[in-house]
Amino acid sequence: QKEVEQNSGPLSVPEGAIASLNCTYSDRGSQSFFWYRQYSGKSPELIMFIYSNGDKEDGRFTAQLNKASQYVSLLIRDSQPSDSATYLCAAADYKLSFGAGTTVTVRA
Amino acid sequence: DTAVSQTPKYLVTQMGNDKSIKCEQNLGHDTMYWYKQDSKKFLKIMFSYNNKELIINETVPNRFSPKSPDKAHLNLHINSLELGDSAVYFCASSQAKQEQYFGPGTRLTVT
Repeated sequence: QKEVEQNSGPLSVPEGAIASLNCTYSDRGSQSFFWYRQYSGKSPELIMFIYSNGDKEDGRFTAQLNKASQYVSLLIRDSQPSDSATYLCAAADYKLSFGAGTTVTVRA
Repeated sequence: DTAVSQTPKYLVTQMGNDKSIKCEQNLGHDTMYWYKQDSKKFLKIMFSYNNKELIINETVPNRFSPKSPDKAHLNLHINSLELGDSAVYFCASSQAKQEQYFGPGTRLTVT
């Protein structure tokens, strides 16, 4: 079983819509959770981190964490073509474990 | 001013050769990492150093040897390169177990 699993993509959404990305993790010892965005040929770029149950909002991005369900999600509101990228979910205990990523395409 | 830098950006070499990749961070972080991202884009940790001390050593062939001369630098030396070593190698840094910041990556191609 993979440590971090993400919903399979690719995910295609129209411009202005909400993109919803899901992630589950297997290690209950994970303490903190991260969402990275990776454009093709570029390095992962941190966009959100969350440590506590509930929602955390930053601009058009909202991260949600439910430790009981071992579930993390990322919502991208008012999606823009520039949001087209691969989104990586990561869970941290003594190391950072990444999911395989979900590729998002925002259609203009 | 680049936060995490790596050299070289591209590395093309033949099987059996030995090569090194260098990483430097100017964020004042105490922890540095090496990751490998394969052709399927899966990002997997290889090593981590905290204040020059090795703290994570995942299942990696012993042909790979990291070295941290100080907490701002982490190098990766690879002996006897194999075709399967072709990948993008990312360096990252963090303060303790907080969020990690990645370098631009080194694309290694072994022919």
